[in-house]
Amino acid sequence: DTEVTQTPKHLVMGMTNKKSLKCEQHMGHRAMYWYKQKAKKPPELMFVYSYEKLSINESVPSRFSPECPNSSLLNLHLHALQPEDSALYLCASSGSGDEQFFGPGTRLTVL
Amino acid sequence: AQKITQTQPGMFVQEKEAVTLDCTYDTSDQSYGLFWYKQPSSGEMIFLIYQGSYDEQNATEGRYSLNFQKARKSANLVISASQLGDSAMYFCAMRVGGYSTLTFGKGTMLLVSP
Repeated sequence: DTEVTQTPKHLVMGMTNKKSLKCEQHMGHRAMYWYKQKAKKPPELMFVYSYEKLSINESVPSRFSPECPNSSLLNLHLHALQPEDSALYLCASSGSGDEQFFGPGTRLTVL
Repeated sequence: AQKITQTQPGMFVQEKEAVTLDCTYDTSDQSYGLFWYKQPSSGEMIFLIYQGSYDEQNATEGRYSLNFQKARKSANLVISASQLGDSAMYFCAMRVGGYSTLTFGKGTMLLVSP
């Protein structure tokens, strides 16, 4: 199984809402990533988890809160977002090989 | 600091023709990896091909090949026999040393016409 899954596929939320994005992989990968991607731009790294511990936080605002409950799951908790946070949020994982495998993404719209 | 440059914002090619997407990189590290990803309008980033800095042969994966010229610091993607389904955004990316993070280029939008 070489698949990374993400739910939901689309999410619309207000600025006062709390929501979560979910990412799952069953490839035994020990590194998992969150990226934010605006239209027609490359993905921007947000967080990296290695062996279930947060290893990189690219100065992301605290309204984004990552969580890694176990080696297969990665969540991104969202609270008090701004309209400019509307984007495609991509999850990825990598193992002992070199490539990162990406999920299909969650398209987030903040009203 | 690492940098990836993709100078072609958009490329057009006719079906069944070959196309080359350019990528140059900059790093002072001796150990690095170069990747190409395809992103259709649906959003998923699809891994295409990988080239390690110490690999002596150019990488190939089906219709995709990577033209790796180390002295020129270029890693161009060649797609042979283009298909309509190849229409997508293509990103070149680099990983340096033992770090797992990727540095992406700005991407090239490829449009394949019938």
